[in-house]
Amino acid sequence: GESVGLHLPTLSVQEGDNSIINCAYSNSASDYFIWYKQESGKGPQFIIDIRSNMDKRQGQRVTVLLNKTVKHLSLQIAATQPGDSAVYFCAERGMDSSYKLIFGSGTRLLVRP
Amino acid sequence: DGGITQSPKYLFRKEGQNVTLSCEQNLNHDAMYWYRQDPGQGLRLIYYSQIVNDFQKGDIAEGYSVSREKKESFPLTVTSAQKNPTAFYLCASGQGSREKLFFGSGTQLSVL
Repeated sequence: GESVGLHLPTLSVQEGDNSIINCAYSNSASDYFIWYKQESGKGPQFIIDIRSNMDKRQGQRVTVLLNKTVKHLSLQIAATQPGDSAVYFCAERGMDSSYKLIFGSGTRLLVRP
Repeated sequence: DGGITQSPKYLFRKEGQNVTLSCEQNLNHDAMYWYRQDPGQGLRLIYYSQIVNDFQKGDIAEGYSVSREKKESFPLTVTSAQKNPTAFYLCASGQGSREKLFFGSGTQLSVL
């Protein structure tokens, strides 16, 4: 069945370092992936997305990499800042007729000053 | 400003009571969604609507009901049949079923 999971539940990084958050997905037919950031008590905030016809996409301080061969997605955050501390979710679009987004369980990013 | 508004921020339910969570969007999006989030977990889909006057069950629809009478509004009712309603409820909307979702700020529902 479809599933989206994360390798590391908690990631602690030093301020200024780069962060890499990983995500594995099981449905090789999924064609769209999104990363969201969620701060405590708030709704998820869109960070970046990527379609399956791409393997890399860059935003402001963030890069998403997609490796379809091993069904792996990663989010790279450059020069991590204290404001980046949050839970990060990856999501994939299901390939049934509903095109539902399926969310992973999340990775908590802690930025040490 | 444009966005998705959820209310109330906090809600308490008594035993056997139905409660309704409000979700309004002014983004002119066709699709709207309700997700449930339990502590330390991801989001699970309750109901979604791709167009006015139509909606479909998600993965955990039992004990919930929705309506979509207006494009802007997608209220969720947590019925007494939902035995474990305590959770953080998130409403989202999207331009279509194939696009990214925009989320509201959530409603925390607790049982008295």
